[in-house]
Amino acid sequence: KQEVTQIPAALSVPEGENLVLNCSFTDSAIYNLQWFRQDPGKGLTSLLLIQSSQREQTSGRLNASLDKSSGRSTLYIAASQPGDSATYLCAGHDQGGSEKLVFGKGTKLTVNP
Amino acid sequence: EAGVAQSPRYKIIEKRQSVAFWCNPISGHATLYWYQQILGQGPKLLIQFQNNGVVDDSQLPKDRFSAERLKGVDSTLKIQPAKLEDSAVYLCASSLDHGLGYTFGSGTRLTVV
Repeated sequence: KQEVTQIPAALSVPEGENLVLNCSFTDSAIYNLQWFRQDPGKGLTSLLLIQSSQREQTSGRLNASLDKSSGRSTLYIAASQPGDSATYLCAGHDQGGSEKLVFGKGTKLTVNP
Repeated sequence: EAGVAQSPRYKIIEKRQSVAFWCNPISGHATLYWYQQILGQGPKLLIQFQNNGVVDDSQLPKDRFSAERLKGVDSTLKIQPAKLEDSAVYLCASSLDHGLGYTFGSGTRLTVV
């Protein structure tokens, strides 16, 4: 059974800082891994999808990496801005073609002006 | 492109009452999911439909929860009777094949008092 853990649970940084959010999973047979952003009272917005054959994805100031052998993924945010304040969730697709997502509890990020 | 539509946005009911949520997925997305997100947790899959057939309902409390997706488009999730621990945000999502294009709705926040 896949379990996903995110550390830290909360993070507060000054504007402009580069930061890393961590995600670990128990089953290295994970298929795809996806990072989402959730704003208070809102649904989830997909940020980056790393497919099974890939090791990283980049979008603007965001870079996500996936290391299946160690069971880890990281989300790197460069030059953080107050607008980046949100909860970041990582989720793994189960192996075997299942499209079910198994989520971590998320990291609540606050970027202070 | 229109997103995943959900209604209502908020619902407050007393325990033992019944409630229903509605979801309209993105046009062309064959797969539809209902997730439950309890405060401070990541979303947990309740049920997954492929067109109008159930793919995974292993975590759906079938004694009180039911869901249907008639004609392979819209879906409804029902709780009867509700318990206090059902208080959560109910998120609907849809995707293309193999989980690509995963898109979440804004969710319905249910409070059971």
